[in-house]
Amino acid sequence: KNQVEQSPQSLIILEGKNCTLQCNYTVSPFSNLRWYKQDTGRGPVSLTIMTFSENTKSNGRYTATLDADTKQSSLHITASQLSDSASYICVVSAMGSYIPTFGRGTSLIVHP
Amino acid sequence: DADVTQTPRNRITKTGKRIMLECSQTKGHDRMYWYRQDPGLGLRLIYYSFDVKDINKGEISDGYSVSRQAQAKFSLSLESAIPNQTALYFCATSDPGLAGAISSTDTQYFGPGTRLTVL
Repeated sequence: KNQVEQSPQSLIILEGKNCTLQCNYTVSPFSNLRWYKQDTGRGPVSLTIMTFSENTKSNGRYTATLDADTKQSSLHITASQLSDSASYICVVSAMGSYIPTFGRGTSLIVHP
Repeated sequence: DADVTQTPRNRITKTGKRIMLECSQTKGHDRMYWYRQDPGLGLRLIYYSFDVKDINKGEISDGYSVSRQAQAKFSLSLESAIPNQTALYFCATSDPGLAGAISSTDTQYFGPGTRLTVL
């Protein structure tokens, strides 16, 4: 069964600090992995997408990495801001399927 | 966010009632989706449509039906609501662009969500 596991479940950091969120998956055959940011009361917004051949993708202060061999991805947030407080969701799609597998998300709280 | 709108934003109903959630988009995308999100769980796909004449079941379609009235409108119905359908429902749209129909890499744009409570 395709699964996406994220860790930690929640994280609290101080403004200005860096943090890294983890995503492990068992989706096969792998097509792509996407990170979404979901603010409270809003729909998810795509941050990055990576396919098999990509191992790093940046979007401003967000940098995602992918290790397709170990089936792991991470999302690194640099110099966190209060507006980074949100849930971060890892989503993995399989080749030939239009039904993506969503992780449960990591809830990030950034304190001043 | 205003490109994808959902109505109503909140709804409380009783068991056995018929409920319709509506989604409209101004992005001009052909592909539309309905998801539900439960606390502590990931989003799950209910139905998706790649054009007006195309409807496909997702991961959890039982108890739901959909209608694609036009390119811009995609409605989700609960024929007889039950309490375990209490959830946050999201509509999304996407455009495969040059990649065509075989691609699953197109970016999905989500609406603001509808919070549904079934008593």
